Amino acid sequence: GNSVTQMEGPVTLSEEAFLTINCTYTATGYPSLFWYVQYPGEGLQLLLKATKADDKGSNKGFEATYRKETTSFHLEKGSVQVSDSAVYFCALSDGGADGLTFGKGTHLIIQP
Amino acid sequence: GAGVSQSPRYKVAKRGQDVALRCDPISGHVSLFWYQQALGQGPEFLTYFQNEAQLDKSGLPSDRFFAERPEGSVSTLKIQRTQQEDSAVYLCASSIRQGRYEQYFGPGTRLTVT
Repeated sequence: GNSVTQMEGPVTLSEEAFLTINCTYTATGYPSLFWYVQYPGEGLQLLLKATKADDKGSNKGFEATYRKETTSFHLEKGSVQVSDSAVYFCALSDGGADGLTFGKGTHLIIQP
Repeated sequence: GAGVSQSPRYKVAKRGQDVALRCDPISGHVSLFWYQQALGQGPEFLTYFQNEAQLDKSGLPSDRFFAERPEGSVSTLKIQRTQQEDSAVYLCASSIRQGRYEQYFGPGTRLTVT
């Protein structure tokens, strides 16, 4: 079956630091890959996506590249802000009726 | 435009009570999913509807869980004879249609069983 593994948190960084959150996946076929973000007290929001190998998804300064050879979709941001503090979920979809497969989430804490 | 809405946002139930959780998907979205999110974990799939048809219910943890979407829009997740292990956040998501498309999530219903 499908699975997603992402680095466990919490990850604590200072403002303006470089961020990487690792995500690797196992899937049959060619899934679409997603990063979702959950801010405190809010629901899941789609942050970015990529639908095929070598695609780069980007939004709000965050980027992730679909790497088929390493089955990875690492999330990066060059300079984080306090407002980026949230829980980040990596997820995949193979188009089946069983929905998205999520990682366990990474809690990111940005200190001023 | 309007996103996915869920009600109630919070529900406290005594063990053994029945609960009903409502989801209003984005208008025109064919696909509707329910997920269960335990504290500190990622969401886990419960069931999937394409219009009014329930195509997959493999994630429902027991026969106490039942979902419906009778007119292909609003959906209700019902839990009968709630147990403490049912305490979780229940998320609803909709997607334009089945496939490798992004899903849009509602705010969730936090269920606490005492």
